Amino acid sequence: DQQVKQNSPSLSVQEGRISILNCDYTNSMFDYFLWYKKYPAEGPTFLISISSIKDKNEDGRFTVFLNKSAKHLSLHIVPSQPGDSAVYFCAATPRNYGQNFVFGPGTRLSVLP
Amino acid sequence: GAVVSQHPSWVICKSGTSVKIECRSLDFQATTMFWYRQFPKQSLMLMATSNEGSKATYEQGVEKDKFLINHASLTLSTLTVTSAHPEDSSFYICSARRPLAGSYEQYFGPGTRLTVT
Repeated sequence: DQQVKQNSPSLSVQEGRISILNCDYTNSMFDYFLWYKKYPAEGPTFLISISSIKDKNEDGRFTVFLNKSAKHLSLHIVPSQPGDSAVYFCAATPRNYGQNFVFGPGTRLSVLP
Repeated sequence: GAVVSQHPSWVICKSGTSVKIECRSLDFQATTMFWYRQFPKQSLMLMATSNEGSKATYEQGVEKDKFLINHASLTLSTLTVTSAHPEDSSFYICSARRPLAGSYEQYFGPGTRLTVT
């Protein structure tokens, strides 16, 4: 049973437009969430995170929104750039569980020029 | 940001041999390192949590005798795939947690592609 779900395996967006990547979770013990970006044959790189005490965190072109009641978070990238094309993983962790991350299956974003 | 390296980046070995993969935190001391495995077009699956100076904690379904983990120092953890078989071919990624108060980020290595023939 997947505790972290990313129901869109892929997403295509035009350059300059907004990319919205979604993530849902089932474990109510999760209270810290992260987004990682991964290029083929490379390790994931950290993008942005959000604690459950917040509902929004912004860093440059990246904004993460958290809706705790819906157990849903989303990553907004605006404006999208071709270099953003990668696989994006949502990860979640319960604060008191050794910081083990549970990763979603990923969404492949393609930003078209 | 913090740097984590892995060596080798790519290895081919024959079935039945053992392969060692190193994970190093280059600019910080990591009391905890994690080993993940990623199959093509799938997510990262946590294999084990490696704590410096103690035995690794393996996830359910991961054979500890097959995937030997040693975290001998605060900057080095190794994963040894023993008696490798073709089904062990995968992308292995390590990560290290920076021991800062309130920090939950994990810094990932670049990964090691293992192909067992």
